[in-house]
Amino acid sequence: GAVVSQHPSRVICKSGTSVKIECRSLDFQATTMFWYRQFPKQSLMLMATSNEGSKATYEQGVEKDKFLINHASLTLSTLTVTSAHPEDSSFYICSARDQQEHSGHGYTFGSGTRLTVV
Amino acid sequence: SQQGEEDPQALSIQEGENATMNCSYKTSINNLQWYRQNSGRGLVHLILIRSNEREKHSGRLRVTLDTSKKSSSLLITASRAADTASYFCARYNTDKLIFGTGTRLQVFP
Repeated sequence: GAVVSQHPSRVICKSGTSVKIECRSLDFQATTMFWYRQFPKQSLMLMATSNEGSKATYEQGVEKDKFLINHASLTLSTLTVTSAHPEDSSFYICSARDQQEHSGHGYTFGSGTRLTVV
Repeated sequence: SQQGEEDPQALSIQEGENATMNCSYKTSINNLQWYRQNSGRGLVHLILIRSNEREKHSGRLRVTLDTSKKSSSLLITASRAADTASYFCARYNTDKLIFGTGTRLQVFP
């Protein structure tokens, strides 16, 4: 079945530094990937939709200059948390949709990245 | 809020009992999906029900959908300790999956 690899699984960084998270679709092509953020014991909040070869679409309230998204190929999207602060500490999860699937069924999720900013 | 609401927020049951989780949403949908998340992990797709379907089964899972009430329910029958996890509904519309608030299920042996 479809597999999405997300890396790293855990990262600790100092305040003010930037962190890059990668999301790869391993056995399918994904023109669209999604980035979610999840606080402890809460739901997933959609941050942005990553489109291959074009700019990402951000949800209301998400700072695009803070959370930089690049989707340079059909199998890779990256999320960079710039100038990280402790309040950015969270669980970030990506999702990729198989471009052959048009019914809304073909979403596969990465295993998530636990970001801790100290 | 973009999210749907789920209830209960938390549910504790004994093995062998059934667990029912409910999901309500506000906007129209193409389909509604249910996912499972073990603590600190990614999501696993459980079942999808289309807007023109009313009920769907998969193993011990039964999902219902009432589009007139904008609600769905997930029933897990004969629960097992391994079913302990968080369960989320997610509505699909215009190429996005928007998740509900989730139900944390604890199944005691």
